[in-house]
Formats: sequence, C-alpha cells, structure tokens
Amino acid sequence: DGGITQSPKYLFRKEGQNVTLSCEQNLNHDAMYWYRQDPGQGLRLIYYSQIVNDFQKGDIAEGYSVSREKKESFPLTVTSAQKNPTAFYLCASSIEGLFLNEQFFGPGTRLTVL
Amino acid sequence: AQKVTQAQTEISVVEKEDVTLDCVYETRDTTYYLFWYKQPPSGELVFLIRRNSFDEQNEISGRYSWNFQKSTSSFNFTITASQVVDSAVYFCALIRMDSNYQLIWGAGTKLIIKP
Repeated sequence: DGGITQSPKYLFRKEGQNVTLSCEQNLNHDAMYWYRQDPGQGLRLIYYSQIVNDFQKGDIAEGYSVSREKKESFPLTVTSAQKNPTAFYLCASSIEGLFLNEQFFGPGTRLTVL
Repeated sequence: AQKVTQAQTEISVVEKEDVTLDCVYETRDTTYYLFWYKQPPSGELVFLIRRNSFDEQNEISGRYSWNFQKSTSSFNFTITASQVVDSAVYFCALIRMDSNYQLIWGAGTKLIIKP
C-alpha cells in the first residue's frame, strides 16, 4: 500500500537532547512537508521540500533542521535550540511542490520532552 | 492580513442529525484557494475538498456539502445524516498566495457524533 510512514508514534526525550523524527513516503511525490500541531491550534509549517536536495523554511523553522537526500525520505531533527518542542508532528507529501495540491499525511509523531 | 477562523471549537450532535461547521476567512487576494481536511482519531489528516475563488458553486459529495459565499467570506461544511465515523477534527485552510502558496490553517473544529 502506498502512503506515508512516520516513526516512532510516541517519542520521549530529555531536555537538551536532539531528536530525529522519521518520515518516509512511497507515493513517488516530489514535495514533502513538516507541520507542528499544538492543542487548539491549526497546523504550522516547519519546513518543506519541493525536490531532492532542496528545502525551504516555513513559519516556525527556528530550532529545527531537515535534510532531503532521497526523494522518499524527509527526516526532521528537533534540536536543543527549540524552546518548546513538546507537540504533535505531522509529515505530508504532495505530487508537486505547490501547496495547491492535495497533501497526503502520515499518522504523526507525538514528541514529549521531559 | 490573511486569516482563517473556525469559531466552533467543539460540536456534539446525535447520530443522524445534520451539522454545519463554519469557516470564515480573510484575504486581500482576488485569487485564492480554500481547503477542508479531516483529522480522525488516528491522527493523519485526510483531504476533503479544494475550492478556488472563482467557483462559487456549492459542492456535494455524498453526505458532505460545502457552501462557498464570497460575500460573507465563508466556506462552510455540512454533514447530512451524521454518522459516528464522522467524529474527527475538521480543519479549514486558505492558500497564502504571497508566500509561495503556503497554507494558513484554522484552529479546527472537533466534531463528536454520539450514537
């Protein structure tokens, strides 16, 4: 089945540690996205990538980093510089690099920093 | 400023009732796009509809319908004869045409359908 996988589903880390969230897609989509979701708020864009080896900052990129070495993979690293990293993180992909297209989402990773 | 407002934080209805989720948007763009996504308890958002600003015809898809009114800057979503499986958080979103088409998301409406 085609889709997006995110792992792990739940992640606990100590304050000050970097942590990497995995996102893999087998939909052959060019574009991939990372969003953060906090209770009672809409999604906020962290980073997005339209093609391999290229990515752009979203509204809340500070404290996060990404890489796009392969079309299928778009890992997100939450660094110790992120002030409030506890949140639900969603990865998405779309056929092309414009947000006009339908985005397909993964099941999310819930990160808790203790 | 561009903004999406979903004033209803949570709605609870009994199964088979009709329910309307409100979405009000603000934009200065003459061309724009609006979306609805559903987030079931599993967490992954599912695309429901995209509508551009030049198409004001109402859309119907099975039990789902959407009412787009530019005069009131609203893009409301109605579920007819609701079912328990419709329980989810529903998000309305607007394309931000001045910033590489990024999406502006509403805060979402949590819909609870009681059996």
